[in-house]
Amino acid sequence: GAGVSQSPRYKVTKRGQDVTLRCDPISSHATLYWYQQALGQGPEFLTYFNYEAQPDKSGLPSDRFSAERPEGSISTLTIQRTEQRDSAMYRCASSPTGFGEQFFGPGTRLTVL
Amino acid sequence: AQSVTQLDSHVSVSEGTPVLLRCNYSSSYSPSLFWYVQHPNKGLQLLLKYTSAATLVKGINGFEAEFKKSETSFHLTKPSAHMSDAAEYFCVVIAGGTSYGKLTFGQGTILTVHP
Repeated sequence: GAGVSQSPRYKVTKRGQDVTLRCDPISSHATLYWYQQALGQGPEFLTYFNYEAQPDKSGLPSDRFSAERPEGSISTLTIQRTEQRDSAMYRCASSPTGFGEQFFGPGTRLTVL
Repeated sequence: AQSVTQLDSHVSVSEGTPVLLRCNYSSSYSPSLFWYVQHPNKGLQLLLKYTSAATLVKGINGFEAEFKKSETSFHLTKPSAHMSDAAEYFCVVIAGGTSYGKLTFGQGTILTVHP
């Protein structure tokens, strides 16, 4: 695609519900990153993929968070049993190589009531 | 470990005056540093990057930054602000070693440009 896309752009959910966020990277980009950005803060690394492999998930806050990229292209981030502290902007980025420029999507704004 | 500190959370300038956004970094490795800009309701966009070549880096829209190892700084400047520069700016360091491509962001500086 022309750029990184994310869906939905906005998600409001109730505490305890599961949510799944989607990222569609630039086609042919090998690496894909997920970041969490709390209000008034800079983005913080959650996890990344190199094709379908997930070498680093050290930034995932708890085992309620998981991510997949089964075919090495589209990725999903799932948050189970959401809590109010999960409310944030979730950003996805892709890069042709690990140390190249990362191209960011518009983000998904998650609000947990 | 690596980190960046943006020294100002808000900067306000008048249109046509210089812009200075300050950033200090800490890194165990020879760092690669970036500045990203975020306009409202848009994704983050790369302004410029330093990767151990020239210490003065020129980016898009007239911005530039100078890497100063002795001061561990990477300040962003522009000679003359434009209204369209109003946005949030992030100083970013990329991890080397095993943290392949992981970006560490500063907390951001909101730039306001007055007419």
